Parts: sequence; structure tokens; C-alpha cells
Amino acid sequence: ETGVTQSPTHLIKTRGQQVTLRCSSQSGHNTVSWYQQALGQGPQFIFQYYREEENGRGNFPPRFSGLQFPNYSSELNVNALELDDSALYLCASSAGGQAADTQYFGPGTRLTVL
Amino acid sequence: RKEVEQDPGPFNVPEGATVAFNCTYSNSASQSFFWYRQDCRKEPKLLMSVYSSGNEDGRFTAQLNRASQYISLLIRDSKLSDSATYLCVVNKGDYKLSFGAGTTVTVRA
Repeated sequence: ETGVTQSPTHLIKTRGQQVTLRCSSQSGHNTVSWYQQALGQGPQFIFQYYREEENGRGNFPPRFSGLQFPNYSSELNVNALELDDSALYLCASSAGGQAADTQYFGPGTRLTVL
Repeated sequence: RKEVEQDPGPFNVPEGATVAFNCTYSNSASQSFFWYRQDCRKEPKLLMSVYSSGNEDGRFTAQLNRASQYISLLIRDSKLSDSATYLCVVNKGDYKLSFGAGTTVTVRA
């Protein structure tokens, strides 16, 4: 096991609702990256947090937002949910703020939007 | 054009066979390369990094061709447990990993 945990495991929401997903990073890691993986696709980078600051962002609209806390755990918030937001949301922790560092993935949260 | 493209497969091979597949990447400035393995409905796990000189890890061999911008993975002596989706991953030295859509390998008894 990687030591990266995510909650909840599964979630069902309806269009227009808001959702918060949580991630606890591996001990000693100060960087958390979030990815969205739609069915049959590879993970797509949403954003990365390094030492509580957003360190970079992928091609996702502003209704995707995040936070990182002093203990380096992180939240992903999605407002105004759309059907296409249905996906597996993965967080990955690493040390040092560089994508080339080995990233350890959590088990993911499977979000279904109805 | 997608940043990373992979043959989706599936590659269906018998136990003991050798299977190989490639991925191509579009950004010539890419610096780091990886293969991740993802089992059905599970998270991706790092299989191996890919170095310019090529590298092996047991039955797995990875090659990088910068001139043609492709990466390959070869699996020798396939095991049932090698059945998975293999994700090609590229980084251009910034904060994000770019994933391909994956190549599915099924090893049959």
C-alpha cells in the first residue's frame, strides 16, 4: 500500500450539486496532485499543491478548486456538477514539488453525477 | 493532437509469450518518461522509469527513442498476473504528468 488515502470511496450526486473529495498524503510528502480519469481514458491532470500553494493547473474550469492543509492533506472541490464530471478522481502524493518525483496514487474516489 | 498516444490493444497473449507495445509523445521537450500499471478499477502504480539508454527490471524492458519520440515496453515470459492496463506517462519538466489512455494486456492460461 502507498499510504495515500482518499475519501469517500464512492459518491453519487446530481447535476448542479457541489462535492468535496479528500486526500491524505503519504507521510513525509508535501506535494499532492489531483487527476480525473474518465472511463477508458488515462488520468488527466487537474492541479497540484505544494506546501499549501497551487503549483500548477491543467485544463479544467474554475469550478474545480482545491486546498492543501498544513499537514499536507488536500481537498478537491467541484461546484455546479455536470454529467461529464462522472469519473474516478485520483490524488497522488510526492516529495519535492516536481512531477518527475515518483507519485504515489491513492485508491481514488468514484464520482457518479446523475 | 494528444500529448501521449498509445495503441489501446487489447493484446491477448498466452502465458510465457513476449508482448511489446509502444507509445508516442508529441512534445519534444519532454524530459521524464514512465510506465505505470493499472489494474481494473484500481489506482495506477509505477512500473518503471524509462531512461535514454534503455533499462530492464526483471522481465520488463523499456526503451526510449527521443529522435522518433516513442517509448516502448516489452514483457518477457508473460504471467497471468501481468494482465493489466499499461499507461505511458511523460513529463516535460514541469509539475504535471501526462498520461496516455493505456494499452490493455490480457495473458491467458
